[in-house]
Amino acid sequence: DVQLLESGGALVQPGGSLRLSCAASGFTFSNYAMNWVRQAPGKGLEWVSSFSESDGSTYSADSVKGRFTISRDNSSNTLYLQMNSLRVGDTAVYFCVKDQATLARGRLEVWGQGTTVTVSS
Amino acid sequence: QSALTQPASVSGSPGQSITIACTGTSSDIGAYRYVSWYQHHPGKAPKLLIYDVTNRPSGVSNRFSGSKSGNTASLTISGLQAEDETDYYCSSYTTRSTVIFGGGTKLTVL
Repeated sequence: DVQLLESGGALVQPGGSLRLSCAASGFTFSNYAMNWVRQAPGKGLEWVSSFSESDGSTYSADSVKGRFTISRDNSSNTLYLQMNSLRVGDTAVYFCVKDQATLARGRLEVWGQGTTVTVSS
Repeated sequence: QSALTQPASVSGSPGQSITIACTGTSSDIGAYRYVSWYQHHPGKAPKLLIYDVTNRPSGVSNRFSGSKSGNTASLTISGLQAEDETDYYCSSYTTRSTVIFGGGTKLTVL
């Protein structure tokens, strides 16, 4: 079975940093694009960032561009999200999501259970 | 970039069919066939129902179907069941190589 296990969520002060990890298993990690999607309390889903394996391209939402960086380590089947200059508005559950193909096109096939990030003083 | 537009809520009786519309622009829904739909029970992982406008992943009931016309995509759920009551989201790939979601629709089975 495909499994995605997020970790790294915590309570952090505004302006702080955090790195989320996502351990993948049950599929050939290096063959698929990966994404981060978040859901703020009481709000809808918001796509955060994607990493296409086929060409190494990464893209991010305007709301996090310049502050968040997506990366991956295919040797350890792990996806990361480095989050800097955190804001109260970044408070959310962050989901790690496997794409259906090597090129990210928004086909968000398998979702993890999520990890909670709370930004508050 | 603004979210795709979905109705906040829809309702239907068991056995009936309902349709949720998702309106975007020529830069997202109108540009590609990369439209997806998700079912999300709060507190659980969202589930992919439809991808590439009309395709169902293996294991998804054929009661769920998708379509698109111009800048608007639609999800139809036929033979409504009590277990269908939850939140539904549309999404689309965009010309900026990003992904945009709709605001979500809460389905109530009467």
